[in-house]
Amino acid sequence: NAGVTQTPKFQVLKTGQSMTLQCAQDMNHNSMYWYRQDPGMGLRLIYYSASEGTTDKGEVPNGYNVSRLNKREFSLRLESAAPSQTSVYFCASSEDRKSSYEQYFGPGTRLTVT
Amino acid sequence: RKEVEQDPGPFNVPEGATVAFNCTYSNSASQSFFWYRQDCRKEPKLLMSVYSSGNEDGRFTAQLNRASQYISLLIRDSKLSDSATYLCVVRGYNKLIFGAGTRLAVHP
Repeated sequence: NAGVTQTPKFQVLKTGQSMTLQCAQDMNHNSMYWYRQDPGMGLRLIYYSASEGTTDKGEVPNGYNVSRLNKREFSLRLESAAPSQTSVYFCASSEDRKSSYEQYFGPGTRLTVT
Repeated sequence: RKEVEQDPGPFNVPEGATVAFNCTYSNSASQSFFWYRQDCRKEPKLLMSVYSSGNEDGRFTAQLNRASQYISLLIRDSKLSDSATYLCVVRGYNKLIFGAGTRLAVHP
């Protein structure tokens, strides 16, 4: 099993450009998440999807949109990139049942906006 | 006030030392607690869950103090491979809330 995969691994954008970060999981998990990680800030939740067909805002949703394409895939879109969106982006998934809240993370995308 | 607070460190310890990290959380209704480990430039991975009665996994011991709203992680007999950032995590409604992490550096 590949677990959680993310593409691309690295990306440099100019201010105002758009892009989509892709995420897929092969563990048949119901829930998927997008986080950003900045130095000294910890992981902050951007958006999450508790099940196929639903999405909800997290702590820092401004400037982002998401699509839960199917149970496996959850994409994050930056419509007009800003330097403040320079960060490391992690996708994660979980079964999210009472017995298991463990989240499994992808390897991350390092995004720089100039 | 942050929902989950940790001392950022770094904690610099020699091999074989015992080291402990604490973490405080603000929501007294929180029910589930975890420690994640994150190696440099890698993704976070679950280290262990934290149960009310405390739990141990080899050299690692996790404790929960609900009255004072803090969680601790004790590492005994530190190894070079324990060098990493340790993230304290609390479950909120439908999501996990991550602390910023405590960095541990174990030296020979």
